[in-house]
Amino acid sequence: GQNIDQPTEMTATEGAIVQINCTYQTSGFNGLFWYQQHAGEAPTFLSYNVLDGLEEKGRFSSFLSRSKGYSYLLLKELQMKDSASYLCGTVDSNYQLIWGAGTKLIIKP
Amino acid sequence: TAGITQAPTSQILAAGRSMTLRCTQDMRHNAMYWYRQDLGLGLRLIHYSNTAGTTGKGEVPDGYSVSRANTDDFPLTLASAVPSQTSVYFCASSDGASGGTDTQYFGPGTRLTVL
Repeated sequence: GQNIDQPTEMTATEGAIVQINCTYQTSGFNGLFWYQQHAGEAPTFLSYNVLDGLEEKGRFSSFLSRSKGYSYLLLKELQMKDSASYLCGTVDSNYQLIWGAGTKLIIKP
Repeated sequence: TAGITQAPTSQILAAGRSMTLRCTQDMRHNAMYWYRQDLGLGLRLIHYSNTAGTTGKGEVPDGYSVSRANTDDFPLTLASAVPSQTSVYFCASSDGASGGTDTQYFGPGTRLTVL
């Protein structure tokens, strides 16, 4: 079966760093996406990883280890506007995007 | 550029009634998708279309139908709504040039309540 696991909820402090983990077991693998979704809004693209390693985009970085079936999203210098849900999704062997349930990130002042 | 629009924004529907959720994109994307999002379950694919004139079933297609008569529009129809179809529905599109690895762009969603 296909399974993607993320923590349901995390809390962090403004200005700090937080790491949101995602583990996956899917039939085949053709890349992993991270999306951000503010409450009541549409998901928006953050990153796509298909090769192992770390990719950095400003305050956000995404890491992938295909051998471990593991990814994380790293958010630095947290701001209140980073309060949102973060969705992990993997592309399986049929090129369909399978989503995790998402991690709700709460930022406290 | 509007991107992707969905209508209506929200709807309350009596069980047994039919309804069509509308989705239009102006990015000339080949691929379009319909998802439902339920608390604790994440996004689940209902139907998709890789190009105009073709459609396919996703993870949870039962009770739903779609059509793709042209590039821009991808309506989702509930023939006879049931309370378990209460959800937030998102339409998305992608370029389609790289298969399923393209970035998907989402519409604002339709909140549907079936009573």
